[in-house]
Amino acid sequence: QVQLVQSGAEVKKPGASVKVSCRASGYTFISYYMHWVRQAPGQGLEWMGIINPSGGSTTYAEMFQGRVTMTRDTSTSTVYMELSSLRSEDTAVYYCARGGTNQRFDYWGQGTLVTVSS
Amino acid sequence: DIQMTQSPSSLSASVGDRVTITCRASQGISNYLAWFQQKPGKAPKSLIYAASSLQSGVPSKFSGSGSGTDFTLTISSLQSEDFATYYCQQYNRYPYTFGQGTKVEIK
Repeated sequence: QVQLVQSGAEVKKPGASVKVSCRASGYTFISYYMHWVRQAPGQGLEWMGIINPSGGSTTYAEMFQGRVTMTRDTSTSTVYMELSSLRSEDTAVYYCARGGTNQRFDYWGQGTLVTVSS
Repeated sequence: DIQMTQSPSSLSASVGDRVTITCRASQGISNYLAWFQQKPGKAPKSLIYAASSLQSGVPSKFSGSGSGTDFTLTISSLQSEDFATYYCQQYNRYPYTFGQGTKVEIK
């Protein structure tokens, strides 16, 4: 069965970077795109970007351009999302989600809480 | 960016009620519309894609309709496990955008 397992919670100081991983299993890793979405406490869902694990190409939401980097490791079926220059407003749960047909979301990771605090 | 507006923002309903949530896109998105259910402290769960297609394993009490700019999610007979927050999302054009959510609470 399809599973997306994310790395554990992180606490970072303002100005630092965080790298969250999402390990995929149960399907052919390079055949499906992967999205990243975040959710601040008590707030809605916000799309951050997408990566094609086959070639590594990415598309980022404009509000994260210059601060976010999505990469993948095909040998371990893992995608990564790195966010730099962290500020308190980046405190959120970060989710990976598989992009199915037409890049629709079908399976989600369990989420990773990133807390930014001095 | 395409704005997605859900209504209502919250509703109270009883077990057995039929519930309808609407979602409006700021421009036409064909049928590239998905619905998600989220319970407190959990990841969202995919319910519907392509406006009206049920994700595998999702019970048929959930249904979706619409095309263009106006969409609806209907729960035919609300059960206790359906109390949650529901989000619509367009995936017609980057950046993919979500509605603000509709919280379905017990009356």
